[in-house]
Amino acid sequence: EVQLVQSGAEVKKPGESLKISCKHSGYSFTNYWIGWVRQMPGKGLEWIAIMYPDDSNTKYSPSFQGQVTISADMSIATAYLQWSSLKASDTAIYYCTRATDGLFYFDFWGQGSQVTVSS
Amino acid sequence: QSALTQPASVSGSPGQSITISCTGTSSDIGGYNFVSWYQQHPGKAPKLMIYDVSHRPSGISDRFSGSKSGNTASLTISGLQTEDEADYYCNSFTSTTTYVFGTGTKVTVL
Repeated sequence: EVQLVQSGAEVKKPGESLKISCKHSGYSFTNYWIGWVRQMPGKGLEWIAIMYPDDSNTKYSPSFQGQVTISADMSIATAYLQWSSLKASDTAIYYCTRATDGLFYFDFWGQGSQVTVSS
Repeated sequence: QSALTQPASVSGSPGQSITISCTGTSSDIGGYNFVSWYQQHPGKAPKLMIYDVSHRPSGISDRFSGSKSGNTASLTISGLQTEDEADYYCNSFTSTTTYVFGTGTKVTVL
C-alpha cells in the first residue's frame, strides 16, 4: 500500500529554521517526482515545488523560489521541505505528494503537516 | 505565475448536475492536456478525481467527468450527492515545467 506519512505539527518563532519530512513507503522511491503544496488558513492550494530524487532535478514555483528548499534522501525514501528563517506568513498546512515520471498529476498525498509561526 | 481562475462557489440539489470551470492561459491549460482535478473535504488531504483533462483514476465514480476547450477546463459532477460537498481544485502543467492550482471552488449540496 502506497503511503506518504508526514512529520507532526510544529510551532516555531519568526526567524527560526525548520525542516519537515515526508516518508514514502509501499513503492519504489525511484521514477517518481515528489512535490510540496501549501494551504494557508482558510485558503486554497498553492503549488510550491517538485523534485526528481533520481537526479535532484528541482522546479520551484516563482512565488516560492528562494523562500524554501526541497530535498530528498533516497536511502530512506524521505522528502523534506525546509526554511532557514521562518515568517509568520509561513503559517499553513503543508502537503507532500508524488507524480509518476512522465505523468503530470499527483496521485497520492500525505496527511499534511501544520506549521505555526508565532512570536 | 497566476492561479487558474475558478468560481468561488457552485451549488446544486441532490441528483442535479453542476459544472466547475477553470480558466487559464495558453501557457498552461491551453498548451497542454495535463489538467487534473482534486477534491478536498474539510481537514483532509486533496484527492485526485480527474487527470489528463478527462481520465478518471481507478475507484472514482463515473459521475465525475472532465473536459477542456481552449484555455478553459471544466469538471462536471452529475447525479450530485451529499458526499460531493467539498472544495475542488484544478491544476495544470505549465510552460515553465512547473504546476499551478486553481483558486478553488466550494461545492454545496442544497
